[in-house]
Amino acid sequence: GESVGLHLPTLSVQEGDNSIINCAYSNSASDYFIWYKQESGKGPQFIIDIRSNMDKRQGQRVTVLLNKTVKHLSLQIAATQPGDSAVYFCAENSSGGYNKLIFGAGTRLAVHP
Amino acid sequence: NAGVTQTPKFQVLKTGQSMTLQCAQDMNHNSMYWYRQDPGMGLRLIYYSASEGTTDKGEVPNGYNVSRLNKREFSLRLESAAPSQTSVYFCASRSLAELFFGEGSRLTVL
Repeated sequence: GESVGLHLPTLSVQEGDNSIINCAYSNSASDYFIWYKQESGKGPQFIIDIRSNMDKRQGQRVTVLLNKTVKHLSLQIAATQPGDSAVYFCAENSSGGYNKLIFGAGTRLAVHP
Repeated sequence: NAGVTQTPKFQVLKTGQSMTLQCAQDMNHNSMYWYRQDPGMGLRLIYYSASEGTTDKGEVPNGYNVSRLNKREFSLRLESAAPSQTSVYFCASRSLAELFFGEGSRLTVL
């Protein structure tokens, strides 16, 4: 399987609890942010995005919060399920376009029954 | 629809050997990308192609070449592999702001 998660910070939660995954981004000029989920042995999958003119966006069981003052992004997962176990990456469009996204190192989410 | 397909999934090379990673997408996307992923690090962009016939360097292009063969296919070539190129490589294509990734190619250079 993939070794990408071995050296990452890990968040352990109980099934049914809410999870909060945090990300600090680097460029105050970034105006678009995305969260990706990567399951073991697979490529990253888009979860949710947010533009800098918003501070909150909700999807199905997920919410992204953006705090531009402190350059912080968070992903909240409600009622976490075993299928949510994965590595989660935030990304920003540091150059202002979509072609050169800057990805964070990731956080591993482990959901325990 | 297969989405983004990468081959091979696994490859072991000796230092100095060459190889090409193949990528194809069936979503009619204009933009395609090659990333590498190393333990404890985020995805890093190697090269991208904003449209058929164009390619541009990303963050870590040294040691790699790319070819946008047609709208569907974007290949990544290692002319003389080095141990530092041991990594998992991901191809992606883009629709508006969303990237669609392949399942990855694990390359080990001995």
